[in-house]
Amino acid sequence: ILNVEQSPQSLHVQEGDSTNFTCSFPSSNFYALHWYRWETAKSPEALFVMTLNGDEKKKGRISATLNTKEGYSYLYIKGSQPEDSATYLCACSNFGNEKLTFGTGTRLTIIP
Amino acid sequence: EAGVTQFPSHSVIEKGQTVTLRCDPISGHDNLYWYRRVMGKEIKFLLHFVKESKQDESGMPNNRFLAERTGGTYSTLKVQPAELEDSGVYFCASSRGLTGNYGYTFGSGTRLTVV
Repeated sequence: ILNVEQSPQSLHVQEGDSTNFTCSFPSSNFYALHWYRWETAKSPEALFVMTLNGDEKKKGRISATLNTKEGYSYLYIKGSQPEDSATYLCACSNFGNEKLTFGTGTRLTIIP
Repeated sequence: EAGVTQFPSHSVIEKGQTVTLRCDPISGHDNLYWYRRVMGKEIKFLLHFVKESKQDESGMPNNRFLAERTGGTYSTLKVQPAELEDSGVYFCASSRGLTGNYGYTFGSGTRLTVV
C-alpha cells in the first residue's frame, strides 16, 4: 500500500515571504511524483512531474526537489503572492502501476 | 486545446436513485482516469482506461459503480443505486502517456450529493 503524506496540513504566509512544504512517500518501488495546484471548484493544475533522484524543477516562482532514496519532495514558493493561495497536492505512483496515490494536500493562504 | 470536460458540475439525488457522470477527455489522450474525493479526505483512484479498455479498476468501491468508455472517447461513470457514502467530488483526468512522463489534465469535477 502506497501512503503519501503531506505537511503541514495548512499554512498562512505573509505576502512577499517565501515558503516550502513537504511530501513524504515510501521509497521502495517508487516511479513518479506529481505536484498539483488546486483551487476549490476548479480543476487541479499540474505543476511538476518528477522521477529522478536529485531532480529539481522550476516554474516561475515555484520550484520542487525530489529525493527518492529517502522518500520526500519539497515544494518551494518564492515571494508569495495572493494568487498563490490554493491547496497543493502531491501524488506518487509505483513501478508497474499507472494510478496516482494522493496526499491530503497543503492548504496555503497568503495574507496580503 | 480544449480541456477535460465533466458533466454535470453538481448533482443532488436521493438514496437509491441512479446517477450517470460524463467525462470528455482531451482529444488524443488515450489514458483516462476517474478519481473521487470524499469530504476532508484525499483524492482516491477509482479506475484507469487505456482507450476503451479498463486497465485498472482496483479502486472501484463495489458493483454499484460501472464505468464505460465508448470507442475510446468519452467516458461515463454510473452509480446505481446511490448510497449516502457515495457523496463526494468525482474527478476525471486524461493524459497523453505514462505518469512518469506526463501530468494529468483534470476536469473540474462533479460534486455528487446523495440525500
